[in-house]
Amino acid sequence: EVQLVESGGGLVQPGGSLRLSCAASGFIFSTYGMTWVRQAPGKGLEWVSYISSSGSTTYHADSVKGRFITSRDNANNSVFLQMNSLREEDTAVYYCTRGPRVFDPWGQGTLVTVSS
Amino acid sequence: EIVLTQSPGTLSLSPGERATLSCRASQSVSSTYVAWHQQKPGQAPRLLIYGASSRATGIPDRFSGSGSGTDFTLTITRLEPEDFAVYYCQQSWTFGQGTKVEIK
Repeated sequence: EVQLVESGGGLVQPGGSLRLSCAASGFIFSTYGMTWVRQAPGKGLEWVSYISSSGSTTYHADSVKGRFITSRDNANNSVFLQMNSLREEDTAVYYCTRGPRVFDPWGQGTLVTVSS
Repeated sequence: EIVLTQSPGTLSLSPGERATLSCRASQSVSSTYVAWHQQKPGQAPRLLIYGASSRATGIPDRFSGSGSGTDFTLTITRLEPEDFAVYYCQQSWTFGQGTKVEIK
């Protein structure tokens, strides 16, 4: 069974940092690009970042560019989202999902709350 | 930048009725990367349709997608109780704002 499990969310003060992880299983991880999508409380879905299968290429939304870094460890079937200079508007559930443009499946999400 | 506009914002229907959800792109897009996702409260989204009209694995055939260019549609032929949820269209890295299908 294909499965994605996020971890690392929590409460952080504005200006702080947090590193999210997504552990993948049930498929050949190193052959798939991976994507992070977030959802602010009561709001819709917002694409955050993409990383290619090798990790050599990443793209980030303008809203997080220069603050977030996406990376992966193919040996351990994991993808990461390093979030720096966090703002209150970054408060959201962060989902990892498989694929560059067709997202399937999705992890259960991890909640990040940025508040003083 | 492509903007996806979904309508209506909320659809109030009864079980057994037909649901028709619309997604309009601000410019013509490739159908290859048009998808629909279902999200129930407290759950992660789930892929329903990809490539505008192909059902994802395990999705019942009461769900169908159609469209091309700027106009895309998700149709649920007969609503089951478990179908009441929020539906998002997606084109590449852009999502629509969602349509909530609620019980009338």
